Amino acid sequence: GQNIDQPTEMTATEGAIVQINCTYQTSGFNGLFWYQQHAGEAPTFLSYNVLDGLEEKGRFSSFLSRSKGYSYLLLKELQMKDSASYLCAVRDRLSGGYNKLIFGAGTRLAVHP
Amino acid sequence: GAVVSQHPSWVICKSGTSVKIECRSLDFQATTMFWYRQFPKQSLMLMATSNEGSKATYEQGVEKDKFLINHASLTLSTLTVTSAHPEDSSFYICSARLPHAQDGYTFGSGTRLTVV
Repeated sequence: GQNIDQPTEMTATEGAIVQINCTYQTSGFNGLFWYQQHAGEAPTFLSYNVLDGLEEKGRFSSFLSRSKGYSYLLLKELQMKDSASYLCAVRDRLSGGYNKLIFGAGTRLAVHP
Repeated sequence: GAVVSQHPSWVICKSGTSVKIECRSLDFQATTMFWYRQFPKQSLMLMATSNEGSKATYEQGVEKDKFLINHASLTLSTLTVTSAHPEDSSFYICSARLPHAQDGYTFGSGTRLTVV
């Protein structure tokens, strides 16, 4: 089966840096995604990692270690609008060759002035 | 960019009635569509995977006779909640795989279903 763990809630100060961790267990790992979701809205894509290392995209960076089953999302220069839920999702390749995307429970980030 | 259009955005229905939710891929072909359900302050739970022209694959614990999925074309997938009950009230979101692996998945805007 699959298991994805991430902290339930985090708080941070505007302008600061925050790191959201995600650990996973899956039998057919085929990529890890980070999404941002505001309440009542659909998730929006932030980043994708399939190989080990760091992917940087503006204020957001994501890191992956496949051997450790570990990823983190790094948000720099936090803004109030970054207050949202951040979802770690793992693409699992199943027998038969098709993939499915499994989400963690999400981390609710609150940014304070 | 690739967009999935989901309708309706919200719906209120009486207990015992059926509700249909549609997802259309607007500028790409979605051979596979995923249907998720999300309860308040919880994450997205995969309900089923629909493939164009074949039967949907349901996740464990999801009643296939209650949540009917049809993927009759490469641009349209529908989820019908049959004989809805208040416990079915939730946020339903569809998702389609984008053509390139690194682009991941695009999501519909979601449907807020309230059963009274």
